Amino acid sequence: AQTVTQSQPEMSVQEAETVTLSCTYDTSESDYYLFWYKQPPSRQMILVIRQEAYKQQNATENRFSVNFQKAAKSFSLKISDSQLGDAAMYFCAYREGNKLVFGAGTILRVKS
Amino acid sequence: GAVVSQHPSWVICKSGTSVKIECRSLDFQATTMFWYRQFPKQSLMLMATSNEGSKATYEQGVEKDKFLINHASLTLSTLTVTSAHPEDSSFYICSAQSGPTNTGELFFGEGSRLTVL
Repeated sequence: AQTVTQSQPEMSVQEAETVTLSCTYDTSESDYYLFWYKQPPSRQMILVIRQEAYKQQNATENRFSVNFQKAAKSFSLKISDSQLGDAAMYFCAYREGNKLVFGAGTILRVKS
Repeated sequence: GAVVSQHPSWVICKSGTSVKIECRSLDFQATTMFWYRQFPKQSLMLMATSNEGSKATYEQGVEKDKFLINHASLTLSTLTVTSAHPEDSSFYICSAQSGPTNTGELFFGEGSRLTVL
């Protein structure tokens, strides 16, 4: 079974600074999708960024970017210029076929 | 983006009663919907995959007689927690797939908080 590991239960970042959230996964497949989701206190899951495994270029979405290392099965999320609204639980997720497998999550706290 | 709506957003019920949670895709047709369960400060655990017009596929360890899933139309899936007990109290989240299998994007509902007294 595929597994997704987020080794950082909690992270803190100063407003306007940069933070990186780690994620590793395990799979024997070569074609799959990876995602980062944000879950604020409202509990609504919000897609932050997605990466297709066959694409070598790292995905970016404004202040959010990923460092996708396929051989190492690593998929970290970098948040630049952190804002108070970035405070949330962040989940890394792996998708093969229809099934989405989530990591345990990382709570991100943003200090003003 | 596409919208998925869950109802109710929160519900309190007595032990032994049944509770139905609805998941609707408001502006697209979803042949596949997913139901997740989330305990406080924990991850989302997939409970079942709901396919329109066919029986749901349950994950290992999920009681299909306890958590009844119906996907009668392309825009509606329901999760019924039967004979609810306090240990069923949790946050239940649905997601719906827009587009083709394997590549379609998933959209999440707002979640439903169930408290069983």
